[in-house]
Order: sequence, then structure tokens, then C-alpha cells
Amino acid sequence: ETGVTQTPRHLVMGMTNKKSLKCEQHLGHNAMYWYKQSAKKPLELMFVYSLEERVENNSVPSRFSPECPNSSHLFLHLHTLQPEDSALYLCASSPSDAGNTIYFGEGSWLTVV
Amino acid sequence: LAKTTQPISMDSYEGQEVNITCSHNNIATNDYITWYQQFPSQGPRFIIQGYKTKVTNEVASLFIPADRKSSTLSLPRVSLSDTAVYYCLVAPSYNKLIFGAGTRLAVHP
Repeated sequence: ETGVTQTPRHLVMGMTNKKSLKCEQHLGHNAMYWYKQSAKKPLELMFVYSLEERVENNSVPSRFSPECPNSSHLFLHLHTLQPEDSALYLCASSPSDAGNTIYFGEGSWLTVV
Repeated sequence: LAKTTQPISMDSYEGQEVNITCSHNNIATNDYITWYQQFPSQGPRFIIQGYKTKVTNEVASLFIPADRKSSTLSLPRVSLSDTAVYYCLVAPSYNKLIFGAGTRLAVHP
């Protein structure tokens, strides 16, 4: 138990579907992140939110749409994905003033068919 | 951003000490050095963090020389369950937490 909870843990969706990944953190942190990890590739930072405002977007395609309604919740809305988007999507949180200490959830495995 | 360089992979045997070195030549004054461990199909887990000299916790030790241009993660007496990918992270701020390829450690019986 890391204090960061992701749901669902596994998701299979068609290319025309709309789905969402949810993340909730119970650590009182004010920064939240989405990372993508494809098979045998390094973690890719997708989005960073601090105090519910997006502060970093590393050129992620618009078919991925993040939402941060409050400092404890983060969503990743998925629409018209491609098979190459199949990956492990990891949510994380940290205090925004604590350097490199970041806490990850268990991840959501996404398969696009 | 301080770029980090680690060996791609390492092999060890149960009971041995494993040292993984990370190079970060352009580390900034306010950067901390943090190491993470990742098992397959899980998110990375914080192991240890340091700024200079030596830090030790119940899991590992971290050695940082005076110039801070490298750091060494030391895992004492590894077991099969220490087989994982180990990442060295150096970042100036929370919104620049970029992970490299990491070091894939395989521990053999």
C-alpha cells in the first residue's frame, strides 16, 4: 500500500471507446503525475499537476486528456486510442517542494484492441 | 536537467553485495539524488535519497563523493527478491522527474 490508488488495474478497450483511468492519493501531497511505461521502455512523464493546475505536458497526443478536480484526485480520459497506446499507466504524487521523493500507484494496465 | 548514466544490466548471486553506480556530471547545487526500485508490473518504489556523503537505511546505503558527480547504491547481501530495475533520479524540481532506462539487476541462486 503506497497511499496512491489506481483504478481500474486492468482495462481493455476498443479504438473507438471512451474510458477513464482514476487515481487517488491519501498522502496529502499537492503534485500529481501520469507516467506511461510501454514494454521494456523507460517511464515516460506525460502530465504533471501542482495544486490542481497543469504545469507540465510533455507533448502528449490529445487523445489523452488529464483532469485534476482536486489535489487528491487525478483522471486520465482516453478517447480514440491506438494499439500502440497499450501500456502500463502509472499515477504518482509528491509534495511539490520535496525534490525527488515521488510515490507511485500500482498502475493500470491498458490494452487497446 | 542533470542527465544520469547507469549500467543497463548487472548480474549477482544471492548473499553478495551489489553496488550500482550512477553518473550525473552536471548535477546542480540544489539537486538531491534519489534511487527507486521497480518490480515487473508495478510502480517504482522509493529506496533511498541523499545529498552528499553517505546515507543508510534498512534497505540500502547510498555513497556520494564530495564532487557529487556520481553516486553508488549499495545493496547488502542480495536475495532473489531484489531482482528488479533500479533507477537513479536527479532533478531540480518536482515537475522534472524524468526517469532514465535504469539498471536491470538479476540475482541468481
